[in-house]
Amino acid sequence: GIQVEQSPPDLILQEGANSTLRCNFSDSVNNLQWFHQNPWGQLINLFYIPSGTKQNGRLSATTVATERYSLLYISSSQTTDSGVYFCAASAYSGAGSYQLTFGKGTKLSVIP
Amino acid sequence: KAGVTQTPRYLIKTRGQQVTLSCSPISGHRSVSWYQQTPGQGLQFLFEYFSETQRNKGNFPGRFSGRQFSNSRSEMNVSTLELGDSALYLCASSSTSGRTGTGELFFGEGSRLTVL
Repeated sequence: GIQVEQSPPDLILQEGANSTLRCNFSDSVNNLQWFHQNPWGQLINLFYIPSGTKQNGRLSATTVATERYSLLYISSSQTTDSGVYFCAASAYSGAGSYQLTFGKGTKLSVIP
Repeated sequence: KAGVTQTPRYLIKTRGQQVTLSCSPISGHRSVSWYQQTPGQGLQFLFEYFSETQRNKGNFPGRFSGRQFSNSRSEMNVSTLELGDSALYLCASSSTSGRTGTGELFFGEGSRLTVL
């Protein structure tokens, strides 16, 4: 099946700094999503971005499907941005259906 | 619009018991999928249901099963619990069937299972 790799695995930032999280995938994907997992475990949708660029406040994302990667940008980071960020890609899994495969996540710590 | 609702949020079981978890999708969503999250294995796909039919299944033993009802609510069951089944179980709903891709998935808060 498809492989999804995220980098870096851990990231420590000073409040106010910018960061870029990367997601590489091994095959053609149909869909791609970025999530932020809150301390209680819920996955919060950040972007649904099979291709192109989207922005939402201080966050933006770019997916270049032909080159099999996606980037999540966080600008002017705040302590509330801390947590684990997951990339998930949807690819054909056989038998006429698709499934979402997650990367291992990037753990972001923003310090005051 | 209400989000995805999972119950119970927390539960503790002992080895050998069975457990049933429930998931109510976003209104109008007919696809429900389940994921298991553990520190060692990360987030892994369990199965996906659409219109009461299992459309896809991950690589889990037969002890893990699920079903979907006519109102799109879904349950998953784990029988003969093992210590390694301790995990956060997440449910997601989507408005698409999986035939043309997963569509955008929306997750519930999860059910945290501890097996003693």
